Amino acid sequence: EDQVTQSPEALRLQEGESSSLNCSYTVSGLRGLFWYRQDPGKGPEFLFTLYSAGEEKEKERLKATLTKKESFLHITAPKPEDSATYLCAVQTYSGGGADGLTFGKGTHLIIQP
Amino acid sequence: EAQVTQNPRYLITVTGKKLTVTCSQNMNHEYMSWYRQDPGLGLRQIYYSMNVEVTDKGDVPEGYKVSRKEKRNFPLILESPSPNQTSLYFCASSLSGLGETQYFGPGTRLLVL
Repeated sequence: EDQVTQSPEALRLQEGESSSLNCSYTVSGLRGLFWYRQDPGKGPEFLFTLYSAGEEKEKERLKATLTKKESFLHITAPKPEDSATYLCAVQTYSGGGADGLTFGKGTHLIIQP
Repeated sequence: EAQVTQNPRYLITVTGKKLTVTCSQNMNHEYMSWYRQDPGLGLRQIYYSMNVEVTDKGDVPEGYKVSRKEKRNFPLILESPSPNQTSLYFCASSLSGLGETQYFGPGTRLLVL
């Protein structure tokens, strides 16, 4: 069974204090790994897609990396507006050739001024 | 403005009373999907559709039906709702599949008494 585990569940940082969120996965065949941001009461907002080990993508203060077993979302010098829940999801090959998508439970990030 | 809309946003109903949650996108996307989000369980895919008249089950399809008669619309039908279907529901769309950026709707909060 495909599994996606995110850690930590919650993280509180001071403004400017850099850190990393982890997404580890156990899947039969990875097609892609996604990062989303979700604000309270809203739908997830797409951030990145990673397809192969070694791949990296950046957007403002965020940088996502991928290995064969896990992905990291690095947050550099965060600001209070970066506070949100960050979701990781993996796209896998499921039975019959159809696509499946499995989400982790998310990391709730709070950036204090 | 490119968007995914859902209606209603909030719904309280009783066990067994059929209901439909509508989802519409204005981006001419081929791929549409429904998710439910529950505390401690994260986002789980219910059904998805690769194109008109093409639908497939996600991880938790029991108790739900979908149809895709038009490209822009992807309604979620609960024929006989039960309390365990109380949840926050999201519709999402992307250009051609999971590998593309998924755009999520604002969510529908459903309470089944």
